[in-house]
Formats: sequence, structure tokens, C-alpha cells
Amino acid sequence: EDQVTQSPEALRLQEGESSSLNCSYTVSGLRGLFWYRQDPGKGPEFLFTLYSAGEEKEKERLKATLTKKESFLHITAPKPEDSATYLCAVQALSSGTYKYIFGTGTRLKVLA
Amino acid sequence: SQTIHQWPATLVQPVGSPLSLECTVEGTSNPNLYWYRQAAGRGLQLLFYSIGIDQISSEVPQNLSASRPQDRQFILSSKKLLLSDSGFYLCAWSPGGEDNEQFFGPGTRLTVL
Repeated sequence: EDQVTQSPEALRLQEGESSSLNCSYTVSGLRGLFWYRQDPGKGPEFLFTLYSAGEEKEKERLKATLTKKESFLHITAPKPEDSATYLCAVQALSSGTYKYIFGTGTRLKVLA
Repeated sequence: SQTIHQWPATLVQPVGSPLSLECTVEGTSNPNLYWYRQAAGRGLQLLFYSIGIDQISSEVPQNLSASRPQDRQFILSSKKLLLSDSGFYLCAWSPGGEDNEQFFGPGTRLTVL
């Protein structure tokens, strides 16, 4: 069964304390992996798309990487405004069509 | 640039009442459109997706239906709401043709009492 698992479920960091969020996946026919940021009560905001193992994308303090089985979202020297839920999703081939499968997210809290 | 709108932002409805949530996209043509439901502590559940007018696929058998009366308009409906229909409903779009990243609307918080 196609599955996306994110860990940890929740993470508390001090401002400036770098860390990584994990997204592991078990899917067939991976087309792409996506990272989103979601603030409370709002829709997810698109961050990155990764297509192949070894690919990396960066945006400000965030860097996403991809291997054949998982993706990491590295947060360097986070600030309180980075506090949010980070969602991972994969687009995979299922019954002849491409479907999106979302993880349950990592809730990040950055303390000043 | 493209923008996506959803309304209403919040809605409180009694059990058994009808539902209509609307989503519109601006600044693009022939988008793929999606309805998701997000429950607390759970991932996004895909409800419906549409690759064109009158081309709507349902992912999960349920009390809801979807329609696409215009290219950039997507409507989620129910004839009789259930308590279990409560949740955060999100509309999303992606460029037509090859699916890639999705872009989400602000969401509708639905509470069924």
C-alpha cells in the first residue's frame, strides 16, 4: 500500500537550533515529492518539488533533499516565524493515474 | 499571477441541512481542481478531483458530491450533512496536463452540530 510517513510528529526548537524533518515514502511510480508549510487555520503553502534522488532545493533557511526512500527538510538557524506544520506529499502512479498522497505533517515550534 | 478563492471561510450547519462550498481560480486556464478534507491530526484526504468540465472523479464514497459548472469553478455539495462531515475543507489547483505541485486555497472550516 502506498504510504507517506512524517517524523517527528512534533518538534520544539530554540531559535537558531538547526534540525531536520523526515518524510519517508513507500510508493510505486514516484513522479514527484512536495513540501508544504501550513499555518493554523490556513491552506498549505507550496515550498518545494523534488523529482529525483540526489536533488536538492533551497529557500531561505529551508533546504529539501530527496533519496530513493525518503526526503529531509533541513531548517538552518530557525526563527520563531518558521513555526508551522510542514507537510510532505508524493505524486505516485496508482491504477493508471497519478495520485497525491499526503503525510500527517510535523508541527514545528521555534522558541525565541 | 494565479489566485484561488474559497468561501465561506467558516460555516456552522445543523445535521441534515444542505451544503455548498465554492472554489474559484483566477489567472490560469484548464486547471486541474481538487477538494480535500483535513481532520485534526490526520493527513489531507482527497475527496474529488477534476481534469475538466464534467470530468470529476470521486476518491472516497461519502455523503458529498462535486460539480464543475465552469472551467475555473469547483463546488462541493451535500444534500444532508452528517456530524462526520465536520472538518477543514481545502480546494486546490494544479496546472492542467501533467500534474505537478498543487496550490491550495485558504480553506473552509465546517462545523456540523
